[in-house]
Amino acid sequence: AQTVTQSQPEMSVQEAETVTLSCTYDTSESDYYLFWYKQPPSRQMILVIRQEAYKQQNATENRFSVNFQKAAKSFSLKISDSQLGDAAMYFCAYRSAMRGGATNKLIFGTGTLLAVQP
Amino acid sequence: DGGITQSPKYLFRKEGQNVTLSCEQNLNHDAMYWYRQDPGQGLRLIYYSQIVNDFQKGDIAEGYSVSREKKESFPLTVTSAQKNPTAFYLCASSYLLAGGYEQFFGPGTRLTVL
Repeated sequence: AQTVTQSQPEMSVQEAETVTLSCTYDTSESDYYLFWYKQPPSRQMILVIRQEAYKQQNATENRFSVNFQKAAKSFSLKISDSQLGDAAMYFCAYRSAMRGGATNKLIFGTGTLLAVQP
Repeated sequence: DGGITQSPKYLFRKEGQNVTLSCEQNLNHDAMYWYRQDPGQGLRLIYYSQIVNDFQKGDIAEGYSVSREKKESFPLTVTSAQKNPTAFYLCASSYLLAGGYEQFFGPGTRLTVL
């Protein structure tokens, strides 16, 4: 069974600085997808960024980028130029690339609570 | 606007009562999911459905039941058999085709057992 581990329960960053959130996962599959979701105080889950395992290039979305290390099974999220609105719980998630069934489900880590200091 | 709605936002239940949480989507997604969120545990899958009139148990299905009579709707019933139902419940939906399609989430329902 696949597992996702986020070893940093809480992180803090100064406004305009850069912060990196860690995520490791365990799987025997070779093809899968990885996601970072953001959950602000409103508790609405919002997709931040996704990465396909077959792509070597790291995904980037504006100020958000990932460092995907497939061999190490590591998927960290870097937030550049941090803003007050980035304060939230961040979840790393894994999804199998196999078709259908339970493989469509997301497997979540326990989350990292990010505080942004003005 | 397309999206997922959940109701109610807050729900209180007395012990021994069944309660039903509503989830509706107008995104034309095939698959729908129910997750439970507890502090420090992330999200865990309760039930999922890929097609109307079909659904499957997730990792923590005991004490819960679902139905999928319409593509747009996937209500979750928390039964009296669920020993610790106080939690935050999130509904999600996605396309079913292979690919990294994201799951879209509703705003959630906070259930408290009195």
